[in-house]
Amino acid sequence: AQKITQTQPGMFVQEKEAVTLDCTYDTSDQSYGLFWYKQPSSGEMIFLIYQGSYDEQNATEGRYSLNFQKARKSANLVISASQLGDSAMYFCAMREHSFGNEKLTFGTGTRLTIIP
Amino acid sequence: SQTIHQWPATLVQPVGSPLSLECTVEGTSNPNLYWYRQAAGRGLQLLFYSVGIGQISSEVPQNLSASRPQDRQFILSSKKLLLSDSGFYLCAWSPTRPGTQYFGPGTRLLVL
Repeated sequence: AQKITQTQPGMFVQEKEAVTLDCTYDTSDQSYGLFWYKQPSSGEMIFLIYQGSYDEQNATEGRYSLNFQKARKSANLVISASQLGDSAMYFCAMREHSFGNEKLTFGTGTRLTIIP
Repeated sequence: SQTIHQWPATLVQPVGSPLSLECTVEGTSNPNLYWYRQAAGRGLQLLFYSVGIGQISSEVPQNLSASRPQDRQFILSSKKLLLSDSGFYLCAWSPTRPGTQYFGPGTRLLVL
């Protein structure tokens, strides 16, 4: 079974609108971390935001916020006031705190296109 | 501040040829290091990770290998490339204690 599921292969959003990218995860660990990365056409993976499983408040970083719903095992990324430069692939990832390593499991990604 | 470098940026190699991709990290010591591969239009697959010099863990059995000869150097190698080795190879580092993984610029490998 997939550990990270991103059900939206592609999204088109009007510039300046808010956008929500979906991510659900599956783990039996009590302690884990959730990440979102942005991958523009250049290929580099850019870290956006992190949410720990014990964090009581949703993480925010500038225009990015993470809507963390632990009971539903979802960690959606919300981008407010979208910009043309937000067009990219977005990956959700999970780190399970297995002993001795910090492995990240990635979803298949969502391609976001911002329309002027 | 920490930076991570990868080279080469792009590589075209014939089937059966050897491979060596290099990754170095600056501005930190004793990082965890990772090699990922991304096939076209897909997510990332963890290939190898290392928590210290000479310590390599393999996630996927294949014709690739990794080595960590120095604290901040991570090398991905192959003796004989396959067509299926084509892809985008990303190196990442994270602090020794639980932390975010930060990625390098990647190497695009095309095996013909």
